[in-house]
Amino acid sequence: DTEVTQTPKHLVMGMTNKKSLKCEQHMGHRAMYWYKQKAKKPPELMFVYSYEKLSINESVPSRFSPECPNSSLLNLHLHALQPEDSALYLCASSHPGQGREETQYFGPGTRLLVL
Amino acid sequence: AQSVTQLDSHVSVSEGTPVLLRCNYSSSYSPSLFWYVQHPNKGLQLLLKYTSAATLVKGINGFEAEFKKSETSFHLTKPSAHMSDAAEYFCVVISTNAGKSTFGDGTTLTVKP
Repeated sequence: DTEVTQTPKHLVMGMTNKKSLKCEQHMGHRAMYWYKQKAKKPPELMFVYSYEKLSINESVPSRFSPECPNSSLLNLHLHALQPEDSALYLCASSHPGQGREETQYFGPGTRLLVL
Repeated sequence: AQSVTQLDSHVSVSEGTPVLLRCNYSSSYSPSLFWYVQHPNKGLQLLLKYTSAATLVKGINGFEAEFKKSETSFHLTKPSAHMSDAAEYFCVVISTNAGKSTFGDGTTLTVKP
């Protein structure tokens, strides 16, 4: 099973709302990633968790707050977002540290619209 | 340091003709290289990967790619395009153990009937 699931598929929120994106995998992967993808652009890395610890934060604004409750789950908490944060948010997972064979498996994404 | 350049932002082919999507990379270390496909409003699907084994890599849906170290290239090919191949294709490089991958800007493949 190489499936990464993400919920919700679509989300519309106002700039004062608080919402969360969820990601789950059952492949035994111990690295999980959040990416942001704008239209017609490649995914941009936001955060990496390795063994449930935050290992990379690509200078993401604090209105995005990641959480990794266990090895299978990854959340992205959203608060006070701006319209320019509207994008497709992708989650991925991989085996960390196995040389360079860190094949990432992606979920279908959450399409976020901030009004 | 690592980088990826996808040489064509758009490629258009007729159904049944060959596909060539070009990717060049730079890397301070021996890289792992990947091709992903993204259909509209979908996530990224792994097509194939090179991780220092055979230089000719076969992937899903009839795609293959050849790693050429001397040319720092990893071009994606398919002998005969199908309408369902129309999508965005990303070339990705990883050359460290830091968990960071670098994406190319993507190539949009259009398949004409």
